Amino acid sequence: DGGITQSPKYLFRKEGQNVTLSCEQNLNHDAMYWYRQDPGQGLRLIYYSQIVNDFQKGDIAEGYSVSREKKESFPLTVTSAQKNPTAFYLCASSVGVSSYNEQFFGPGTRLTVL
Amino acid sequence: AQSVTQLDSQVPVFEEAPVELRCNYSSSVSVYLFWYVQYPNQGLQLLLKYLSGSTLVKGINGFEAEFNKSQTSFHLRKPSVHISDTAEYFCAGVLMDSSYKLIFGSGTRLLVRP
Repeated sequence: DGGITQSPKYLFRKEGQNVTLSCEQNLNHDAMYWYRQDPGQGLRLIYYSQIVNDFQKGDIAEGYSVSREKKESFPLTVTSAQKNPTAFYLCASSVGVSSYNEQFFGPGTRLTVL
Repeated sequence: AQSVTQLDSQVPVFEEAPVELRCNYSSSVSVYLFWYVQYPNQGLQLLLKYLSGSTLVKGINGFEAEFNKSQTSFHLRKPSVHISDTAEYFCAGVLMDSSYKLIFGSGTRLLVRP
């Protein structure tokens, strides 16, 4: 089945540690996105990528980094510079970066800082 | 302001009753509008979208939404809800000055009671 997978489902991090969240898609989509979800705030865009080896900052990129070495993969690293990383992280992809293209979402990773 | 507004954070309703979830958008948001549903600890699934054409849009699971340009609204409706419709619902729109950026409302939790 085609879709988006995210791993792990739950992740615990100690303060000062960097952690990497995995996102893989087999939909052959060019565009991929990372969102952060906090209770009562909807989704906010962290980073997005239109094509391999290219990515742009979203609204809340500080403390995060990404890479796009393969079309299928768009990992997100939450660095120690992110002051409040506890949240639900969602990865999405779309055929292309266009306003009418539906974004397909993965199941999410819940990150908790201990 | 660039925004999509969902005024109701929670909507309780009895099973088999009709429901309307409200969404309003600002003038800086294009008329490409979407409704997504999120079940607990899962990703988002597209319910329906309005890109152009008929202002009444039908989606999955018996949901429909009506685009109203004069009232800048895109309310979601279902004539008879089921227990399984209990979930978080997000309205989203695309910014006029961007071809990619989805702006999400803060979400409405639909709670269906027996």
